[in-house]
Amino acid sequence: GAVVSQHPSRVICKSGTSVKIECRSLDFQATTMFWYRQFPKKSLMLMATSNEGSKATYEQGVEKDKFLINHASLTLSTLTVTSAHPEDSSFYICSAPSGGFQETQYFGPGTRLLVL
Amino acid sequence: TQLLEQSPQFLSIQEGENLTVYCNSSSVFSSLQWYRQEPGEGPVLLVTVVTGGEVKKLKRLTFQFGDARKDSSLHITAAQPGDTGLYLCAGGRGKLIFGQGTELSVKP
Repeated sequence: GAVVSQHPSRVICKSGTSVKIECRSLDFQATTMFWYRQFPKKSLMLMATSNEGSKATYEQGVEKDKFLINHASLTLSTLTVTSAHPEDSSFYICSAPSGGFQETQYFGPGTRLLVL
Repeated sequence: TQLLEQSPQFLSIQEGENLTVYCNSSSVFSSLQWYRQEPGEGPVLLVTVVTGGEVKKLKRLTFQFGDARKDSSLHITAAQPGDTGLYLCAGGRGKLIFGQGTELSVKP
């Protein structure tokens, strides 16, 4: 199946700093990628849709100035958490559709962010 | 707004028991996916169902899509400790809507 990678797998940063998370589709191209946030033992919450060549689409309640998304190429989307605070600590996961009729979503392994 | 209600949210059983997880909605979905997630990892796709009434089997796991494409179920036969994890149903194409998840614990 299709492979999606994320980097870094975990990051610890100080409050007030910015953190960039990369999501790459390794063996296919994705004009759209999705960013999710997940709290412990909870389901995935969609944050935004990353669109290659245009602005990201944010879900209601997600601050676009805080969570900057850039779809740099057909295989790379980045999520930057700006001026991070402890409440931004979470597990961030990206996904990309593999294309084809069923458009199966393939998920990255996730990035654990801890803001001190 | 499309919603998916997943139940139960927590399930703790003994090895060898059977279980069923349900995923229900008032909306029609073009497809439903089931994922399994282990701690610290991303969800892994188990199956996609697209046709109303469809039944798919994956070893001891049986997935069913309702005739009206509004609900789905996951049945595990003779659960094993290796089945422990978070099971998620998700609907739609592209922008997925997730159920609340079912935290399954299978004790030896």
